Amino acid sequence: DTEVTQTPKHLVMGMTNKKSLKCEQHMGHRAMYWYKQKAKKPPELMFVYSYEKLSINESVPSRFSPECPNSSLLNLHLHALQPEDSALYLCASSQGPAGWQPQHFGDGTRLSIL
Amino acid sequence: AQSVSQHNHHVILSEAASLELGCNYSYGGTVNLFWYVQYPGQHLQLLLKYFSGDPLVKGIKGFEAEFIKSKFSFNLRKPSVQWSDTAEYFCAVTVTPLNNNDMRFGAGTRLTVKP
Repeated sequence: DTEVTQTPKHLVMGMTNKKSLKCEQHMGHRAMYWYKQKAKKPPELMFVYSYEKLSINESVPSRFSPECPNSSLLNLHLHALQPEDSALYLCASSQGPAGWQPQHFGDGTRLSIL
Repeated sequence: AQSVSQHNHHVILSEAASLELGCNYSYGGTVNLFWYVQYPGQHLQLLLKYFSGDPLVKGIKGFEAEFIKSKFSFNLRKPSVQWSDTAEYFCAVTVTPLNNNDMRFGAGTRLTVKP
């Protein structure tokens, strides 16, 4: 079992809905990440939070809005998504933001946009 | 362009066969290299990592990888595969001293082990 917990596991939403994905870790990690993974493709980095501050935004559309309320929690707020946004959304965390520190991944939220 | 390349998209082996999965990167500077495995329906798990020291690193489940700087390679090996090794394998790279853990993944290699 992973130590990074993501909820919900599955989410189906319409294009006009507003929903949020949640991620939680209690390993004391200070860097957290959102990735998007399409079927049979590698994960693609979306956002990086380092010490609760957004440090990387990989040109993600504004319909995706990340939030890091504290060092253990990471949210991804979704609004007005498109069908092409259907994917597996992965959260990860690492001890710190240094490149040599491995990332620990959650099981993901499988998102389907109707 | 900077990239991570995994040469094999799908590898099919019989149990007890030896495995080698290729990974090449094109980033300059000091790199940190990782192999992750994704079993069907499960989360990405770290197999092994390299960031300094002995270029031959050993990971979990009997896997090892060798960093060859001159070849920009970090190939994954296992002497004898098992049916339970059937999974997707991803090579990944971060670059220091960017210090932002911006991890880039290769396209992945799907390994099927026949019993």
